[in-house]
Amino acid sequence: GEDVEQSLFLSVREGDSSVINCTYTDSSSTYLYWYKQEPGAGLQLLTYIFSNMDMKQDQRLTVLLNKKDKHLSLRIADTQTGDSAIYFCAESHILTGGGNKLTFGTGTQLKVEL
Amino acid sequence: DAMVIQNPRYQVTQFGKPVTLSCSQTLNHNVMYWYQQKSSQAPKLLFHYYDKDFNNEADTPDNFQSRRPNTSFCFLDIRSPGLGDAAMYLCATSTLTGGFTDTQYFGPGTRLTVL
Repeated sequence: GEDVEQSLFLSVREGDSSVINCTYTDSSSTYLYWYKQEPGAGLQLLTYIFSNMDMKQDQRLTVLLNKKDKHLSLRIADTQTGDSAIYFCAESHILTGGGNKLTFGTGTQLKVEL
Repeated sequence: DAMVIQNPRYQVTQFGKPVTLSCSQTLNHNVMYWYQQKSSQAPKLLFHYYDKDFNNEADTPDNFQSRRPNTSFCFLDIRSPGLGDAAMYLCATSTLTGGFTDTQYFGPGTRLTVL
């Protein structure tokens, strides 16, 4: 089945690292994604990881994937106030009609305090 | 810049009055998607087009329909909006090359209010 879970809230101080966690249940996912959503806006792609990788680094972002435990995390180094937003993880499944279906987690609200 | 555009950004309609939301893209992607995101919830896929082929999710209500007249445009029609259809509607695109589906890119969304 498809079920993606995240903790609802995370509060960090500016300059600290943030770690947002995600668990999923479908081991057949090909890609796993992190999207950022600011208030009233659409989804901004942050990064993604292929299911046969265990780590990916992209500037301040580090994604860790533990396929055995079906656990995904996003680490943001040197968190800034502009990083305050809701972060969604999503697993991807190829659709028979072409394209891929994203199943999103519940979203984690990140609040960065001065 | 290549992008996904949604119009209008905010739409107000009356209960039962048909409404159409628009999405256009300059990415030349062959797959276009519509998601519904209710307040404080995750986005949920309604349907998608692979070129001209329409693919409906099993739990998408009949009240929701879509049209894709060409590669660039895709419309979401809500035939008789109910109060429960108030949500943010997100359009996304991706490309399928060599059997491999690329990342989805999202538009800014249209927030629908039903009075």
